[in-house]
Amino acid sequence: EAQVTQNPRYLITVTGKKLTVTCSQNMNHEYMSWYRQDPGLGLRQIYYSMNVEVTDKGDVPEGYKVSRKEKRNFPLILESPSPNQTSLYFCASSKGTGELFFGEGSRLTVL
Amino acid sequence: RKEVEQDPGPFNVPEGATVAFNCTYSNSASQSFFWYRQDCRKEPKLLMSVYSSGNEDGRFTAQLNRASQYISLLIRDSKLSDSATYLCVVINTGTASKLTFGTGTRLQVTL
Repeated sequence: EAQVTQNPRYLITVTGKKLTVTCSQNMNHEYMSWYRQDPGLGLRQIYYSMNVEVTDKGDVPEGYKVSRKEKRNFPLILESPSPNQTSLYFCASSKGTGELFFGEGSRLTVL
Repeated sequence: RKEVEQDPGPFNVPEGATVAFNCTYSNSASQSFFWYRQDCRKEPKLLMSVYSSGNEDGRFTAQLNRASQYISLLIRDSKLSDSATYLCVVINTGTASKLTFGTGTRLQVTL
């Protein structure tokens, strides 16, 4: 089954404790992206990757890092999480068109 | 002015009604347009692409008005299962990298 898998789905952490949200897709898509969704602000792009070892900043990259060492994986790293990073995070992949396939989302709370 | 704007709603309509949403975009060079559907606390999923000539998929019709810079989504014979948030998406280049989401319009279909 074609899918995008994110983990963890839910996480409560404390300020400053490094965390990684993993994202994996099995569709051999070259394009992958991370979004955060906040009430009233919609989906905002954090980082995206056009291919292995190619990553670029989206609209709200501050406080986040990503890597793309393999085609299928695109982890999101929060080196020192802060409360303003409490949000719902979505990973997505695409073959390069406007059709994005999203993971089920990761709800992160930073205390 | 936001790059992509939608009326947040909610639009409360009775079952069987016809309802229409608009989405305005600010960049006249925008090239591709899509409607996504997002159920509460779930990931967004592609509903339909929006072509210059307009397109129809069952009870759903999407149209593009380049002169006035908006896209529309018409839902005929609304069903309870149509209750969701509808997100418009605009792409300003030939790839998915410059993909901008609207904040969404919430539809609630009632008995």
